[in-house]
This record gives sequence, structure tokens and C-alpha cells, in this order.
Amino acid sequence: GAVVSQHPSRVICKSGTSVKIECRSLDFQATTMFWYRQFPKQSLMLMATSNEGSKATYEQGVEKDKFLINHASLTLSTLTVTSAHPEDSSFYICSASSSPGWGNTIYFGEGSWLTVV
Amino acid sequence: GNSVTQMEGPVTLSEEAFLTINCTYTATGYPSLFWYVQYPGEGLQLLLKATKADDKGSNKGFEATYRKETTSFHLEKGSVQVSDSAVYFCALSVPWSTGNQFYFGTGTSLTVIP
Repeated sequence: GAVVSQHPSRVICKSGTSVKIECRSLDFQATTMFWYRQFPKQSLMLMATSNEGSKATYEQGVEKDKFLINHASLTLSTLTVTSAHPEDSSFYICSASSSPGWGNTIYFGEGSWLTVV
Repeated sequence: GNSVTQMEGPVTLSEEAFLTINCTYTATGYPSLFWYVQYPGEGLQLLLKATKADDKGSNKGFEATYRKETTSFHLEKGSVQVSDSAVYFCALSVPWSTGNQFYFGTGTSLTVIP
């Protein structure tokens, strides 16, 4: 079946540095991918919608200059957390659907645990 | 707007007990409804789904019925096992032009003890 792969699964970075998280659809083309983050004991929250070949659409309250999203191809979207701070430590997860429409299965990456020290 | 309200956890049950995790939603239009499960150390997995009112999704002994009149999609299992210990997320999806935009509940942690 369709698989979405996310890398790295865990990353620790120093405060002030940038870190990139990749999301790949392995056996299907995903025109749109979604990025979520999850704080401990809280819900997954949609951060942005990543559209291949165009600018990402960010949810209200998400800093687009801090969370850079690039969707350069139909199988790869990247999330770069710039100038990371400890409060950016979180679980980030991407998702993609192989086709649009009602109720189509959406596949999630394994998620990436980011710890900023 | 779109949102999902899910029963708070954690929930601890003995093996073979009956499980219910409540989920209600608000949505514009006609969403599809999902239950996802996250086992320790793993990514989200689709457990079951329902795409229209009165549909029943089922998988691995879990069931949930899409109730439009009560805007609910409660998850049930008649006899839980230790291996069911995980975090369960209720979600709804609305169509995007090229994909599906999801809204998740807060997740309910389930621990099943022998």
C-alpha cells in the first residue's frame, strides 16, 4: 500500500540553529501534503498545507518565516524549522493522500520528534 | 468551523472489558470521519472510517457509526486486549482541491491491563 516516509524520526538541535524534516510519498504522487505538530497531551494541529510547485498555505497563528515549507516535487515536501528555540520542541508529522475526494485514505508519516536544547 | 471533541483520557481497562471512546464533531458540509491509532513508538495508522451518515466503520473488532443527528462517531470494542493499548484519535476530513484536510481530536490514551 501507499507509504509516506518521514525523516529524521528524532532530531536534537541547538537553540538558534535550523533543522529540516523531509516527508516523502514512496509509491504515489502527492500534489498536496499536510504538516501537523503535536504538543504533549494535546491534539494534532494542522500547521500548513503544502502544494507542489506553489507556496504553502499556513494556518492562523503559524509563523511562515519560522516554519518554511517547500514542496519541490510530487513526492517530497520539507519542513524547515528556522532559528529553533526550546518551545519549538514537538512532534511533527506529515500526511498525504494519493487522490483527492471524499473519504480517501490519507497516509501519515512516522513523525519526527524535535528536541531543541 | 470544523472541530473534533474527544473524550479525555487516560483510560485504563482490564482485558476483555468493553471499550467506548466518545467523539463528537462540528463541521461545515458533509465530512468523512475517521479513527486513527498510534501505538507506542509508531506513526498514526488508520483504524476505521465512515464516509456518510449511518455508515459503520469496523476493523480489528473496533466499530464506530457515523451519527449525523448527534454529530458523533463513538469508538467501541466489545472485548479489549492488552495489544490494544495505544492512543486513539478521532478525526474528520473535508475535501481540499487536491487532498483531504484533517481535523483531529486530542487523542485518548488507552491502557489495557492483564
